Formats: sequence, C-alpha cells, structure tokens
Amino acid sequence: SQQGEEDPQALSIQEGENATMNCSYKTSINNLQWYRQNSGRGLVHLILIRSNEREKHSGRLRVTLDTSKKSSSLLITASRAADTASYFCATDGGSGGYQKVTFGTGTKLQVIP
Amino acid sequence: DAGVTQSPTHLIKTRGQQVTLRCSPKSGHDTVSWYQQALGQGPQFIFQYYEEEERQRGNFPDRFSGHQFPNYSSELNVNALLLGDSALYLCASSATDGLAGVPGELFFGEGSRLTVL
Repeated sequence: SQQGEEDPQALSIQEGENATMNCSYKTSINNLQWYRQNSGRGLVHLILIRSNEREKHSGRLRVTLDTSKKSSSLLITASRAADTASYFCATDGGSGGYQKVTFGTGTKLQVIP
Repeated sequence: DAGVTQSPTHLIKTRGQQVTLRCSPKSGHDTVSWYQQALGQGPQFIFQYYEEEERQRGNFPDRFSGHQFPNYSSELNVNALLLGDSALYLCASSATDGLAGVPGELFFGEGSRLTVL
C-alpha cells in the first residue's frame, strides 16, 4: 500500500513558471524525501527533510514539512523543459533504527517549452 | 565509482515460471531494498536486506524472496509468476551508520522490467 498521496496527479505548466506539488501521508515519520523519475527509469533523490525541520532549500527546490498536518510540498521555481518527469514523495517510518522508505503515488509534471 | 547496477534490464517470462533479478549496490553501501513499480504507480516496498538478512518486508506474498551476499549484492526471486507480477523492479542501496541505522538517501538502479505473458 502507498503511504503518501501526491496532489495533483498531473501538472502541466509553461517553462519559467513555478510548479508546486503536495504530499500527504498517514503515519509518523523520521524524514520525508522527494524523488524524481524520468519515464521508465530509476529514481533520483532530490531532497530530504527531517521530521524536526519545517523548510529546506536546494537550488531551485524548496520543500516544506508540516508534521501536524502530515503534509509536505515541493516547489520547483523557474521550471525548465528538462524538469519534465514524475515526482514522488517518500516517507521513512522505520523503527528501531531501521530505514523503511515508502513512496507515494506521484505527480506527473510536464513543462512546456 | 559505479552506482547501483541491476540485471537484466528487460526480460519476458510466462505464467508459472520463476525469475531471479540481481543488484549490485553503490560502493560503500551495505543495505539493499527492493521495490515493485507497476505502470503509472509509485514504487511499492518489497523487502530490505542488511547483513545478509531480511529485516523489513512489505505486503508481498512468500513467492517473493531474496538474498544478500557477503559482498552486499542482492537477488530478488519470484516464483510461480502471475500476470500481475509484470512491473519494473527497482533496487535501491543505502548506507547505515552502524547499529543506529541512520536513515538517508536511497540510490536507485535503472530497474529490471519484467513482462509476464
């Protein structure tokens, strides 16, 4: 079963615009991560935010985390055609020091040149 | 420094057959996790291996089994294949910090695409 649900399922924007994707999850977490996947390929890690952090930046990426609402958002600023991909949030809810990363359903982003 | 490598990249099997998929983790990583990704879906956690033992398992039947070798490489075996097993199988490696198991980034291979006819 999926731990997280991304919203929207699909997003189409013009190059240069910002893209915002949201993720909601169900259980308590150690951290939340965002990954990107080009069609049919492996996933690439983008950013990790720990449960005691509220916001994190990496280049054109901004991630927020609200543990009280069990939600996170990923903002991609000044989007480029090369950002076209599926984006997944993933939560680590492992216990006893063990990592167990569970993925959401994904947002398919299309950036139109 | 080689990343995570998986083999084979593509394979076709028929119902009832068995399949073995292989994964070599990124250098320095000791933990391997396997995921199944159906078309249009997010990856689903199958299981995780550390120190040659399965230490976490998702909601998959016993037909799915695995192994980790002393060099940290891993295999995923699926018996009695069903049509619904058709998917992209992803291997991810990560590093743990001793017994504490520091959670962190997963490094993924490009996957093995299995088609069951």
